This record gives sequence, C-alpha cells and structure tokens, in this order.
Amino acid sequence: GAVVSQHPSRVICKSGTSVKIECRSLDFQATTMFWYRQFPKQSLMLMATSNEGSKATYEQGVEKDKFLINHASLTLSTLTVTSAHPEDSSFYICSAMRRRGDGYTFGSGTRLTVV
Amino acid sequence: DQQVKQNSPSLSVQEGRISILNCDYTNSMFDYFLWYKKYPAEGPTFLISISSIKDKNEDGRFTVFLNKSAKHLSLHIVPSQPGDSAVYFCAASAYGGSQGNLIFGKGTKLSVKP
Repeated sequence: GAVVSQHPSRVICKSGTSVKIECRSLDFQATTMFWYRQFPKQSLMLMATSNEGSKATYEQGVEKDKFLINHASLTLSTLTVTSAHPEDSSFYICSAMRRRGDGYTFGSGTRLTVV
Repeated sequence: DQQVKQNSPSLSVQEGRISILNCDYTNSMFDYFLWYKKYPAEGPTFLISISSIKDKNEDGRFTVFLNKSAKHLSLHIVPSQPGDSAVYFCAASAYGGSQGNLIFGKGTKLSVKP
C-alpha cells in the first residue's frame, strides 16, 4: 500500500530557532500533500496544501511566513517552522493520496516541543 | 463552528461485542466521508470511506453507515477486539475525496476490554 514517511518523529528546539519537517511519499508520486496540526485532545486541523512546483495554499489563520512549505519534487514536501515559539509546540502530520478513493495516507507525525 | 462532530469523547466495549462510533456533520456539501484510527504519537491510519451516493460500505469487521438526511454516519466494528483500542476520527470532504480539505472531528477514544 501507499507509504508516507515523515521525519523526524520528535524534535526539541529552542525558542527562536527553525525546525524543518520532511514528508516523503515512498512508493508513489504525490503532486499534492497536506499538512495538519493537532493540539492535545483536539481534532486534526488542516494548515496548508502543498503543491509540487507551486506555492502552498494556506488555511485561514495560518501564517505562511512562519510555516514555510516547499514541495520541490513529486515525493517530498517540507514544512519549516521558523522562529519557533513554545506556542508552536504541537503534533504535525502530513498526508498524501495516491489515487482517488484510496483514502489519504498519513505520515507518522512529528512531535515538536519548543523550549 | 465545528462542521464534523463526534460527541462521544470515549467509548468502552467488551471484547467480542459491537462497537458503534457516531459522527454528525453540518455541511450539506460534504460528499465523501472517512474513518481513521490513531494511536498516540502516530499518524492516523485510514480505515474505511464512503461516498455520499452510498448508504453503506463494508470492509471485513468494519462497516460505515451514512444517513444523509440526518447528516449522520456511524462506524460499526464487529466483533470488537482489544487491538481496536485507539482514537477514531471521522473526517469529511466536499470534493468527492479528490482533494485534501478534510475536516476532522475531535475523535472518540475506543477501549475494548478483554
């Protein structure tokens, strides 16, 4: 089946630094990938849609200058949290769909802790 | 305003019995619905989906029922097994599943007791 790999699984960083999270589709090409965020006991919230070769589409309320998304190839999207603050501590998950009807395959998620 | 609601934060079921997880939605434009299972510190795993042109979809022990007039769907797990213990998310899309704008509920934590 479709596999999406996300790295790193956990990261701790200092306030003010930047953190990059990678999302790779291992056995299929994904022109579109999606980035979600989940706070404790809350639902997954779509942050942005990552499009290969073009700019990402951000959901309302998501700062595009803070959450930089790059989709440089058909198998890789990256999310960079810039100038991280403790409030950015959360669980970030990416997803992609191989083909319609398959359902969306999610990465294993990244637990970001900003100290 | 939440467009996808899972009103039961938790559910406890005995092994071998049926688990019924419920989900309500408010947006009549939703036409594709999915259920995901999630363990702590992991990404969600796709379980089953249903298009709005159907009212039932079955896959092994998992069956999803859709009642469009009531804007309600449910996931039935029969028989329930301890390994089914996880958080289950209901999600909906208004684009026939072709785009990623999934709207998720808050999840229901299922505990299946041996």
